[in-house]
Amino acid sequence: AQKITQTQPGMFVQEKEAVTLDCTYDTSDQSYGLFWYKQPSSGEMIFLIYQGSYDEQNATEGRYSLNFQKARKSTNLVISASQLGDSAMYFCAMNQAGPGGYNKLIFGAGTRLAVHP
Amino acid sequence: GAVVSQHPSWVICKSGTSVKIECRSLDFQATTMFWYRQFPKQSLMLMATSNEGSKATYEQGVEKDKFLINHASLTLSTLTVTSAHPEDSSFYICSARDHLEYSPLHFGNGTRLTVT
Repeated sequence: AQKITQTQPGMFVQEKEAVTLDCTYDTSDQSYGLFWYKQPSSGEMIFLIYQGSYDEQNATEGRYSLNFQKARKSTNLVISASQLGDSAMYFCAMNQAGPGGYNKLIFGAGTRLAVHP
Repeated sequence: GAVVSQHPSWVICKSGTSVKIECRSLDFQATTMFWYRQFPKQSLMLMATSNEGSKATYEQGVEKDKFLINHASLTLSTLTVTSAHPEDSSFYICSARDHLEYSPLHFGNGTRLTVT
C-alpha cells in the first residue's frame, strides 16, 4: 500500500532563513505525482508545488523548491527566505490510484512550521 | 485559477439532526470530487470519492449510510451527515481536479461542524 511519511511534527525557522521539510513515500507504481500543500490556521488548503515521478529536474515555484530523490523515495520541500506568513501546517501528498481509474490524494501527517522574527 | 466553493463554512447542530454541506466547482467541471475529514491537529483523511451521475466510492471504515454523498451535476457535490452525533464534529473539506489526472486538487475552504 502507498504511504506518505513526514517525520517532523514541528519545525521552526528564523525569518529570512531557509528551511527544509522532509517527506518520504512508499509506492510500487512507476508513475506517480507528489504534491505539497500549506494549511494556515484558517483551514484552507493551498497548493504549493508538484513533482512528477518522471520529471528529471527538481520542481521550483518562487520561494518553494523540491529536493526530489527518486531512489531514496523522498521529496523534501525547501522554503527559502522564510516569511512570517509561512507559519502554517505543511502536508506532503501523493496520488493513489482508485477504482475507476481516477487518482485520489493521500496525505502525510503534516509538519507545523513556525517562523520566528 | 480553478475555484472550489464550499458552504457553509461552519455549522452547529444538535444531536440527531442532519447537516448538508455543499461543494461547487465555480469555473470548471468536475466529474470527480473528493471529501476529506480532518480532526484537530491531524492530517486529512479521505472519506469518499464522489462521482458525477453514479454512486460514491467510500473508503474503508466510512459509513455510507451515515455520510450520504450526492454528485448530481458536474459542478456540485453534497455531503450529508445524517443523525449527527458529537463524535461527528470535525472539519470537512472537499476538493476537485479541473482536468489532468496529475493536476493538483483544488480545495474548498472547509466546513467546521460542531454537534452539541
